[in-house]
Amino acid sequence: AQTVTQSQPEMSVQEAETVTLSCTYDTSESDYYLFWYKQPPSRQMILVIRQEAYKQQNATENRFSVNFQKAAKSFSLKISDSQLGDAAMYFCAYRRVNTGTASKLTFGTGTRLQVTL
Amino acid sequence: DTGVSQDPRHKITKRGQNVTFRCDPISEHNRLYWYRQTLGQGPEFLTYFQNEAQLEKSRLLSDRFSAERPKGSFSTLEIQRTEQGDSAMYLCASSLLGSYNEQFFGPGTRLTVL
Repeated sequence: AQTVTQSQPEMSVQEAETVTLSCTYDTSESDYYLFWYKQPPSRQMILVIRQEAYKQQNATENRFSVNFQKAAKSFSLKISDSQLGDAAMYFCAYRRVNTGTASKLTFGTGTRLQVTL
Repeated sequence: DTGVSQDPRHKITKRGQNVTFRCDPISEHNRLYWYRQTLGQGPEFLTYFQNEAQLEKSRLLSDRFSAERPKGSFSTLEIQRTEQGDSAMYLCASSLLGSYNEQFFGPGTRLTVL
């Protein structure tokens, strides 16, 4: 079974600074997807960034980038130029490649990010 | 496109009562998922549908839980004889079958069992 671990329950960053959220996972699969989702307080979860395991290049979406280390099974999220609107719970998630019925997301326990002035 | 909607947003019930939640996916999405999220935890997969067929169920989905997706449109999740341990946020997501199969989440239904 696949597992996702987020070892940082809470993180804090000052506005305009950079913060890195950690995630490790365990799987025996060679091909899969990894995701970071953001869940603002009392609002629905939205996808921040996605990484395909077969791609060596790290994904980037504007101020958000990942450091994907496949051998180490590590998938960290870097947020640059942090903004107050980045404050939220961040979940790391894993999904097998869409073969057959494999479709569910496996989530970590989340990291609560606070952004201070 | 108004996104994934869920109804009700909050439900308070007494132990032993039955409750039913509804999820309306994004209109062209053929896959629909249910997850449960307890306080301080990430969402946990419950079940998912492709069109009207329920393709996978988690072991978390006890006999008291049943989900349907008639005609491949909206879905309902029913919990019979609720227990205090059922208190959680129930999240629905939908996706379009494809290479990325990105799941779009609804706002959730928060269930409190007294």
